[in-house]
Amino acid sequence: GDSVTQMEGPVTLSEEAFLTINCTYTATGYPSLFWYVQYPGEGLQLLLKATKADDKGSNKGFEATYRKETTSFHLEKGSVQVSDSAVYFCALSEWYTGNQFYFGTGTSLTVIP
Amino acid sequence: DVKVTQSSRYLVKRTGEKVFLECVQDMDHENMFWYRQDPGLGLRLIYFSYDVKMKEKGDIPEGYSVSREKKERFSLILESASTNQTSMYLCASMERRNTQYFGPGTRLTVL
Repeated sequence: GDSVTQMEGPVTLSEEAFLTINCTYTATGYPSLFWYVQYPGEGLQLLLKATKADDKGSNKGFEATYRKETTSFHLEKGSVQVSDSAVYFCALSEWYTGNQFYFGTGTSLTVIP
Repeated sequence: DVKVTQSSRYLVKRTGEKVFLECVQDMDHENMFWYRQDPGLGLRLIYFSYDVKMKEKGDIPEGYSVSREKKERFSLILESASTNQTSMYLCASMERRNTQYFGPGTRLTVL
């Protein structure tokens, strides 16, 4: 079945450091891929998405490229800020599974000044 | 912007009580979902609905039921709350083949 595996946390970085959070997926067909972010005490917000191979999603300085050959969708940011401290979830969706989403377990990021 | 609201941010109930969690979306989305979120386990799907009066079981439906009488409202019901149902509950809505939009969550504590 479909699934998402993402990097275990927690991750702690200094401000302005480079961020990578790894995400790989297993899917039968051609899924759409997503990154969501959850700030403390809040629900999940869409950060970025990509719907087909080689697409790059980007938002707020974050980027992720849909790599079909490596079944990956790694999240990157060149220079993190304290305000980026949150939990990040990778997810996939395939239409034929009834629009269900499959989420990774989340990666907690803390950015220190 | 899509808005998904949940009836309570924090809720404390006693074992055996019947608990209702309400979710409302304002974008006429067909699909709605209930998840629970627990540390180390990520999000687990409880139930989802793709239309009024339609429902499908997710991965962990035991101990829960749902109701969708109107398109904008999706209710999660804990028939007899137990301590192992203490969790964060997240509601989401989605258009067909599109992005899921989440509410702020309800943190339920069962004593």
